[in-house]
Amino acid sequence: GAVVSQHPSWVICKSGTSVKIECRSLDFQATTMFWYRQFPKQSLMLMATSNEGSKATYEQGVEKDKFLINHASLTLSTLTVTSAHPEDSSFYICSAAGVWDSGNTIYFGEGSWLTVV
Amino acid sequence: KNQVEQSPQSLIILEGKNCTLQCNYTVSPFSNLRWYKQDTGRGPVSLTIMTFSENTKSNGRYTATLDADTKQSSLHITASQLSDSASYICVVSASPEGNAGKSTFGDGTTLTVKP
Repeated sequence: GAVVSQHPSWVICKSGTSVKIECRSLDFQATTMFWYRQFPKQSLMLMATSNEGSKATYEQGVEKDKFLINHASLTLSTLTVTSAHPEDSSFYICSAAGVWDSGNTIYFGEGSWLTVV
Repeated sequence: KNQVEQSPQSLIILEGKNCTLQCNYTVSPFSNLRWYKQDTGRGPVSLTIMTFSENTKSNGRYTATLDADTKQSSLHITASQLSDSASYICVVSASPEGNAGKSTFGDGTTLTVKP
């Protein structure tokens, strides 16, 4: 089946630094990728939709200058958390849209734990 | 406004028992409905995907049903195992075929299977 890989799985960074998270579709081309964040025991919250070769579309309330998204190829999207603060600590998940089985579907990465200290 | 509502919010059952999770949606026009299983601290994993013409789809001990008329779906888990303890998320897409587009997520049902 289709696989989406995220890297790193977990990262600890100092407050004020930037962190980059990668999302790769390993065996299919993903024209659209999505980025979510999830706090403990809460549902996934869509942050932005990333389309290959164009600017990402951010959800209301998500700071585009803080969460930089780049989707430079059909298999790679990156999320950079700039000037990270402790409140940015969260579980970040990406997904990629692909056509598989009986129709279009979305495949999720394993997620990346970010802890800002 | 597109919405997906899941019930119950949480559920506790004994190992070996069956259970059914519900998903009601108001997403329109409907394209497909997906059920995902998310273990704590992991990314969601697809269980089933159903299009408008499909009423039932099984994946091992998981069986999903879809009633497009009433806009309801259910996920039935048979002979539950401890490893079924997870959050189950219902996701509905309004995009046309071939373009996953933006989907509407339910808040999930947290299932706990106890020995």
